[in-house]
Amino acid sequence: DTGVSQDPRHKITKRGQNVTFRCDPISEHNRLYWYRQTLGQGPEFLTYFQNEAQLEKSRLLSDRFSAERPKGSFSTLEIQRTEQGDSAMYLCASSLVAGGPTDTQYFGPGTRLTVL
Amino acid sequence: AQTVTQSQPEMSVQEAETVTLSCTYDTSENNYYLFWYKQPPSRQMILVIRQEAYKQQNATENRFSVNFQKAAKSFSLKISDSQLGDTAMYFCAFMTPGDNNDMRFGAGTRLTVKP
Repeated sequence: DTGVSQDPRHKITKRGQNVTFRCDPISEHNRLYWYRQTLGQGPEFLTYFQNEAQLEKSRLLSDRFSAERPKGSFSTLEIQRTEQGDSAMYLCASSLVAGGPTDTQYFGPGTRLTVL
Repeated sequence: AQTVTQSQPEMSVQEAETVTLSCTYDTSENNYYLFWYKQPPSRQMILVIRQEAYKQQNATENRFSVNFQKAAKSFSLKISDSQLGDTAMYFCAFMTPGDNNDMRFGAGTRLTVKP
């Protein structure tokens, strides 16, 4: 399967703990996006990378959130000192931008975070 | 600010019939893309269809077609010959190309196809 993969699929943690999620994009996709989706809502943009550079962050991404894409391939999203309000599905998407109108984003299965 | 509105939280349709899901958006941009994504229960989001705003012709993908009304800022999805596998949440999304690439999603429409 060459689609976007995310790990873990589910994470239960206690309030105050740190968690880290991983996303592996489609091979050769140069853009990688993180979204958060709460129950009954559409995904909300958090941040995105062009290769290894983080180009934009949403105001939703508080100081407790950090994302990296060290070699322009996989990405990690870390949440420090988790709060109950962080409970959500965290989605990763990737796309290939090659100078033309091809920026269709392909989504992974998501990581569902539950903060107790 | 760019917003996407899906005014139908839930819809249902009989198998083999046609259903139309509504989406409106608000933007001051002239060049943008519109998407419909499908999210089946407990499964990942997949692209159904996309439309470039500069194209006047409505996009079609097999049983899925859109009615894109740029002046009205409307982008509805028509599903013909509905199948049980079409049961899912459907999200309308908007994106402007360029440096600012965040995709804005509507709240979704839950579609149930009944046998």
